[in-house]
Amino acid sequence: QVQLVESGGGVVQPGRSLRLSCTASGFTFSTNGIHWVRQAPGKGLEWVAVIWNDGSKKYYADSVKGRFSISRDNFENASWLQMNSLRAEDTAVYYCARDVWGNGYKKLDYWGQGTLVTVSS
Amino acid sequence: QSVVTQPPSASGTPGQRVTISCSGSSSNIGSNALNWYQQLPGTAPKLLIYNNNQRPSGVPDRFSGSKSGTSASLAISGLQSEDEADYYCATWDDSLNGYVFGTGTKVTVL
Repeated sequence: QVQLVESGGGVVQPGRSLRLSCTASGFTFSTNGIHWVRQAPGKGLEWVAVIWNDGSKKYYADSVKGRFSISRDNFENASWLQMNSLRAEDTAVYYCARDVWGNGYKKLDYWGQGTLVTVSS
Repeated sequence: QSVVTQPPSASGTPGQRVTISCSGSSSNIGSNALNWYQQLPGTAPKLLIYNNNQRPSGVPDRFSGSKSGTSASLAISGLQSEDEADYYCATWDDSLNGYVFGTGTKVTVL
């Protein structure tokens, strides 16, 4: 079955860096894009970034542009979110999700369980 | 704040029908198919409706979606206690070149 597992979260000081991992199984990883979505404590969902299935395109939310970088390795069945210059407002649970394109639509159909990032001194 | 808005809350008694609205613009809902996600307390979001009105396998048919122009709605018929959750609409935004989530609606079963 399709599984996505995030890891790498933790407590980090403002201005420091952290790298999150998303390990996939149960499907042909190279056929799907991967999104990262975050949720601050008690808040709604906020989209962070997406990488196309072949890594050819990457898009970011304005709130993280220039600080975060998304990547993937289709041989390792993994995606990463490199987070630099972290701020208190980046504190959130970070989810990775599988992107599926259909006839005129796209959907995030499977999600990981999330990993908590806390930015605090 | 999100460019796609939802009412913060909705409620109903068991068996009632509840509707949640989702309002956007021509660059997001007006141009792209809409999805709905359900997030039960303490869990990851789950795809509930995709392509405006399609249900993934396993989603009960009491959940239905519709879209018209730059707005959409999610209806829950025969409300059940296990439907108490946060619901988010979402779609791609062609101007932002990003995926946008609605502000979210908390459904309470009275």
